[in-house]
Order: sequence, then structure tokens, then C-alpha cells
Amino acid sequence: KQEVTQIPAALSVPEGENLVLNCSFTDSAIYNLQWFRQDPGKGLTSLLLIQSSQREQTSGRLNASLDKSSGRSTLYIAASQPGDSATYLCHCSGAGGTSYGKLTFGQGTILTVHP
Amino acid sequence: NAGVTQTPKFQVLKTGQSMTLQCAQDMNHEYMSWYRQDPGMGLRLIHYSVGAGITDQGEVPNGYNVSRSTTEDFPLRLLSAAPSQTSVYFCASYRVETDTEAFFGQGTRLTVV
Repeated sequence: KQEVTQIPAALSVPEGENLVLNCSFTDSAIYNLQWFRQDPGKGLTSLLLIQSSQREQTSGRLNASLDKSSGRSTLYIAASQPGDSATYLCHCSGAGGTSYGKLTFGQGTILTVHP
Repeated sequence: NAGVTQTPKFQVLKTGQSMTLQCAQDMNHEYMSWYRQDPGMGLRLIHYSVGAGITDQGEVPNGYNVSRSTTEDFPLRLLSAAPSQTSVYFCASYRVETDTEAFFGQGTRLTVV
């Protein structure tokens, strides 16, 4: 059974800092890994999708990496801004065993960027 | 192209009432799933479907029913609402492929009193 863990659970940083959010998974049989942000009381906004054969994806100030062998993905946010404050979620799309076809989420990291 | 349409956005139920949360997608995805989101617990899988006529249980299926009569629609039924079912519900639609992202509805905030 796939298990996804996000560390830290919460993070508070001053504006301008570079920061890293972590997502680890127990089963490396995945099709892809996707990062989302969620603003309070809102839905999920897709940030980046990393295919299983890829090492990283970039979009603006965001860079996500994937290391399947170690079961880890990181989301790097450069030059953080107060508008980046949100909950960040990752999920894996299962490619094998009992997790096949299921999306397994981590618990999320609550990010606060203060001016 | 509407993506995933989820209704209603908000609902208040009394304990014991039943209701159906609607989810529709227009991307011809074979996979659809329902999640509930509770504080500090991420999104937990309730039920999922791998195609019309095929459904299976997820992590927290008790108290919920689903059916999938068409590719487009995947309704979630609460049979007899309980306060423990107070949560935010999300529907997802996706393909099981490496280069395809999952799409989510905007969520339903359900309160059971």
C-alpha cells in the first residue's frame, strides 16, 4: 500500500527566502507525482506534474524534483512571497500492486510567508 | 471544456438525511474518484472507478455508495448522514498514464448537524 508523507507539516518564513517542501512515498511504482497548492477554503490548483521518467520540472519560481529510487520529491520555491502562503499537497499515481490507478495524497505542508 | 464539475458547493444536512454529491467530467477519462479532506489529514480516498460499471472501495468507504453508469458521471451518495461525515469532498478525473495530470472539482463543503 502506497503511503505518502509530507515534511514539514507547517513552515513559516520571511519574505524572500528560498524554501524546500518534501514529499516522500513508500512505493516507487508510480506513473507520476503531482504538486498542488490549496488556498484556505478553496479547491486544488495544479502546480507541477513530474512523470516517472523525469528528474525535475520547472515553472517560474517553482522547481520540483523526483528521485524514484529513494522515494522522494521536493518542491523548491525561490524568493518566496506572501502570495505563496497556502497549503501544498503532493500525490502519487500508483502504477503497481494494490495502489494501481489510485492517487495517494500526503497530509500537506501549510506555508506562511510573512512580509 | 469544463473539466470536472462538482455540485453542490455547500450543503447542510441533518443527521439521518441522505443526499447525492454530483461529479461530471468531459475529458473522457476512464478513472474517477472521490476524496474527503479533513484538517491535518490530507485527502483520503472514499471510492474510485476505473470505468463505466466498475467501482471499488478506497480507504474510508463506510457510509458512502457510488455507481458509474456512464463515463462522464460519478455520483457519491450519503445513505444516512452522520456528523462524522462533515468534511470537504473532492472529485477527481484522470487517466493512468505518465504524462497526464489529474483534474479536480472545486469541492463540496458538507456540514451534518
